[in-house]
Amino acid sequence: DIQMTQSPSSLSASVGDRVTITCRASQSINSYLNWYHQKPGKAPKLLISAASSLQSGVPSRFSGSGSATDFTLTISSLQPEDFATYYCQQSYSPPWTFGQGTKVEIK
Amino acid sequence: EVQLVESGGGLVQPGGSLRLSCAASGFTFTSYWMHWVRQAPGKGLVWVSRIYSDGSSTTYADSVKGRFTISRDNAKNTLYLQMNSLRAEDTAVYYCARVESGSNKRSLDYWGQGTLVTVSS
Repeated sequence: DIQMTQSPSSLSASVGDRVTITCRASQSINSYLNWYHQKPGKAPKLLISAASSLQSGVPSRFSGSGSATDFTLTISSLQPEDFATYYCQQSYSPPWTFGQGTKVEIK
Repeated sequence: EVQLVESGGGLVQPGGSLRLSCAASGFTFTSYWMHWVRQAPGKGLVWVSRIYSDGSSTTYADSVKGRFTISRDNAKNTLYLQMNSLRAEDTAVYYCARVESGSNKRSLDYWGQGTLVTVSS
């Protein structure tokens, strides 16, 4: 199975901050990398697919980059509604493994 | 509007069985692969299973292989997860999700609200 490792596991940031979360795959997954966020008690929501393709309706402050094994999610200016847990997921081969999550908290 | 609505969760004893359903609407169900993902209380997301649009192929996580069966009824626009020989570690919220696929991408673009399965005596 492909292992997905996110860092950091948690971070504290202020509204307006630039936030970067990284995700590393245990082998090359080309660009089959997705990013989701999840708020407490809610279902996950797709933000970015194919490493850098912003999902329709997702604010442009979210961006993704990377290929092969190293990927990044960036929030250019953190907003109050962005405080959530973020997950990467590879869809290169089953099982479609998730990273362990990054909890973004208010500083 | 795309909607996925799970049902069938509840409290079950270890070794018991449960069947989850996911009713789909607002899109052409027969055109989409579907997945189940679970989340234990306070933990992260874990992929469980997938099924092709026509039901011809299924894949499972090692942790549920041989105990869980994914299926679909395209005439009823419904996805299922039959869970047998349940263990305490199967306790989780179970989500169904639709696969969006295209050029160089595959992702879970719509998710249900989840249904809680609790395995306990």
